[in-house]
Amino acid sequence: EVQLVQSGAEVKKPGESLKISCKGSGYSFTSYWIGWVRQMPGKGLEWMGIIYPGDSDTRYSPSFQGQVTISADKSISTAYLQWSSLKASDTAMYYCAREYSSSGTPGYWGQGTLVTVSS
Amino acid sequence: QSALTQPASVSGSPGQSITISCTGTSSDVGGYNYVSWYQQHPGKAPKLMIYDVSKRPSGVSNRFSGSKSGNTASLTISGLQAEDEADYYCSSYTSSSPNVVFGGGTKLTVL
Repeated sequence: EVQLVQSGAEVKKPGESLKISCKGSGYSFTSYWIGWVRQMPGKGLEWMGIIYPGDSDTRYSPSFQGQVTISADKSISTAYLQWSSLKASDTAMYYCAREYSSSGTPGYWGQGTLVTVSS
Repeated sequence: QSALTQPASVSGSPGQSITISCTGTSSDVGGYNYVSWYQQHPGKAPKLMIYDVSKRPSGVSNRFSGSKSGNTASLTISGLQAEDEADYYCSSYTSSSPNVVFGGGTKLTVL
């Protein structure tokens, strides 16, 4: 069974750094794209970017380029999303999601990590 | 990379059928048979309901069906039930990196 398990909720102050994680199991971690999705409070889903853990090929949506860093450690089947300097506007639920078929569109989802940025 | 266009809300009575549209362009919905639909209940992660335009993952009710015509994909829910009340999102593969775009979401209300 494919599972994506994300790290727990975080409360941070503006300007702080943060790295959240997404551990995959039940499949070959290096063979499928994993993406990150932002959902701001009361809003829709936004595709932030993707990584192919097999070769670390990483692509970002224009809105998120330079704002976050996506990475993966294939030795522990874990993908990451990190910020170097958080803003209040980064407050959101963040989901990791793996492609379901060869289409690339997500089908397996993590449970979400709530990030709250407040002074 | 613009979001796909969905109606903000739809509603229906129990037992009825409803359809949610998802309009894109020839660079996404119209260009590939890679449209997915998700159901999201409040406080929960999205759940895949349809992939590759019209395929259902194992365990998803056959009351949910998907189709596509030109640049518009559609999700139809037949025999509406109270538990279908949720937000629904479409997504499509797109030629623009990073290759996935979502719709803005549709709130389904079961009257």
